[in-house]
Amino acid sequence: GENVEQHPSTLSVQEGDSAVIKCTYSDSASNYFPWYKQELGKRPQLIIDIRSNVGEKKDQRIAVTLNKTAKHFSLHITETQPEDSAVYFCAASLSNQINTGTASKLTFGTGTRLQVTL
Amino acid sequence: DTAVSQTPKYLVTQMGNDKSIKCEQNLGHDTMYWYKQDSKKFLKIMFSYNNKELIINETVPNRFSPKSPDKAHLNLHINSLELGDSAVYFCASSLVSGTDTGELFFGEGSRLTVL
Repeated sequence: GENVEQHPSTLSVQEGDSAVIKCTYSDSASNYFPWYKQELGKRPQLIIDIRSNVGEKKDQRIAVTLNKTAKHFSLHITETQPEDSAVYFCAASLSNQINTGTASKLTFGTGTRLQVTL
Repeated sequence: DTAVSQTPKYLVTQMGNDKSIKCEQNLGHDTMYWYKQDSKKFLKIMFSYNNKELIINETVPNRFSPKSPDKAHLNLHINSLELGDSAVYFCASSLVSGTDTGELFFGEGSRLTVL
């Protein structure tokens, strides 16, 4: 099955600096790579995603890059703010047609706790 | 509110007991999931249902039994609770169209503590 590794496990940056989180995946057939943000005590929420036919995607201060050959993808947050402090999860998935149904089996990375200090 | 809602939010119980967690989504999604998040924050899929049919069943003890009475509801029943079952259980749903993976919408989580 798919295995997703994520680094670093913790990251502390000063407000205004950039933060980079990296993930690798094992199944070359995976085709969808979302990033989820989980604030303390809250639910994970999607912040950005990228599909395997695209190498880079940007949304304001957040960008994600994908290298299919190397099987790794990264999250970049620029001009970090205190409200960016959270646990970030990368994930990889391949939609499976199983029997009569289709499901998205997201395999999550182990999470990165980002702390943005003033 | 349109959302994925799960109850109870907190559950404290003794080892050996049986408990259930309920989940409902009114987003019109056709696929629902149960994820387990342990104390180290690892998020691991347990089950997935598509239109009431079990699609994904990871290596989970058979003490865990999901039930989907309709595509808007997915419940999780746990028998003979063990200390290691303590975790936050997240329900989620998505709209999967063909082979296109949809965004996962998570519920608020149910924190289960087994004493």
